[in-house]
Amino acid sequence: DGGITQSPKYLFRKEGQNVTLSCEQNLNHDAMYWYRQDPGQGLRLIYYSQIVNDFQKGDIAEGYSVSREKKESFPLTVTSAQKNPTAFYLCASSIESSYNSPLHFGNGTRLTVT
Amino acid sequence: QKEVEQNSGPLSVPEGAIASLNCTYSDRGSQSFFWYRQYSGKSPELIMFIYSNGDKEDGRFTAQLNKASQYVSLLIRDSQPSDSATYLCAVNYGGSQGNLIFGKGTKLSVKP
Repeated sequence: DGGITQSPKYLFRKEGQNVTLSCEQNLNHDAMYWYRQDPGQGLRLIYYSQIVNDFQKGDIAEGYSVSREKKESFPLTVTSAQKNPTAFYLCASSIESSYNSPLHFGNGTRLTVT
Repeated sequence: QKEVEQNSGPLSVPEGAIASLNCTYSDRGSQSFFWYRQYSGKSPELIMFIYSNGDKEDGRFTAQLNKASQYVSLLIRDSQPSDSATYLCAVNYGGSQGNLIFGKGTKLSVKP
């Protein structure tokens, strides 16, 4: 079955440590996205990639980094520079990045930093 | 600043009733509109999308778009307890989906 796999489901880290969240898709989608969701808040875009080896910052990119070396994979690194990293992180993909391509989401990773 | 507004709810309806969820947006140039359902602790699932003024029906769901008034709504007919979830409205302000803005969602509760 095609889909988007995020791992791990839960992640715990100490403050000051970098952590990388995995996102893999086998839908053959060109575009991939990372969102962050905080309680009672809408989804906020961190980074997105329209094609391999290219990505753009979203609204809240500070303290995060990404890479897109393969079409299937779009890992997100939460660095120690991110002041408030505890959140629910959602990876999504779409066939292409145009306005009429619906996003499909992975199951999310819940990150807790103490 | 481009905004997508939704009533946070909770919106409570009895089983079998019609649930009406509304969303307003600030930019007249918006091109596409999406409704997602999110169960507690889970990721959003796409329900419907609409691009043109008017109604679009899919099973028990109807999306209604009025660009002149800058609102989009989602009607759920014959509501079921399994429809209880948070419904997210998302609006694309043009160009790539990097310009997709999500509302904070409306929590729907369907009482048996």
